[in-house]
Amino acid sequence: SQQGEEDPQALSIQEGENATMNCSYKTSINNLQWYRQNSGRGLVHLILIRSNEREKHSGRLRVTLDTSKKSSSLLITASRAADTASYFCASLPNTGFQKLVFGTGTRLLVSP
Amino acid sequence: NAGVTQTPKFRVLKTGQSMTLLCAQDMNHEYMYWYRQDPGMGLRLIHYSVGEGTTAKGEVPDGYNVSRLKKQNFLLGLESAAPSQTSVYFCASSYPETQYFGPGTRLLVL
Repeated sequence: SQQGEEDPQALSIQEGENATMNCSYKTSINNLQWYRQNSGRGLVHLILIRSNEREKHSGRLRVTLDTSKKSSSLLITASRAADTASYFCASLPNTGFQKLVFGTGTRLLVSP
Repeated sequence: NAGVTQTPKFRVLKTGQSMTLLCAQDMNHEYMYWYRQDPGMGLRLIHYSVGEGTTAKGEVPDGYNVSRLKKQNFLLGLESAAPSQTSVYFCASSYPETQYFGPGTRLLVL
């Protein structure tokens, strides 16, 4: 399978704490994206980082990319209960067409 | 804009029955996708389309067929449903890189 992997599989924190999720992928990529999925809903795009970028910020989100290690991390700072969701990384291989390869996801629970 | 919509939201089928899942998008996107999501497996690509009239196989195409007769619609068909096709099905569209997902169809095959 070409699927990426994420760890941890599940993460439980308190409101106000930071949450870090890690993603590994298998092939050379054009970009890597992070998506959020609330329970029973479709995925929502959060942030995209290109292969020539090392770090990107969007609000409380910080994404890093290490292409030498084929890995990425997503940091959510000052977590809120509303951040409770599953988070998926998705890599876009350098193979021409826009077929994202999704990771297995991290389930984040933020308790009040 | 409604974005990406899917019908039906939930369906129960008996083994061997057929059905069609409908995906519609109003964003004028060229690319459309069908995924299935199973516990612990993330999303796996079933079929995709790069434009009206085109379709291509993804990672897990067996047992499914698709059609893209109109740019805004992408249909996923199960000709003879099997219990292994019990899953949540998501449609997505994109142009160029970010994918926009529908709310999903939960399918149970008995």
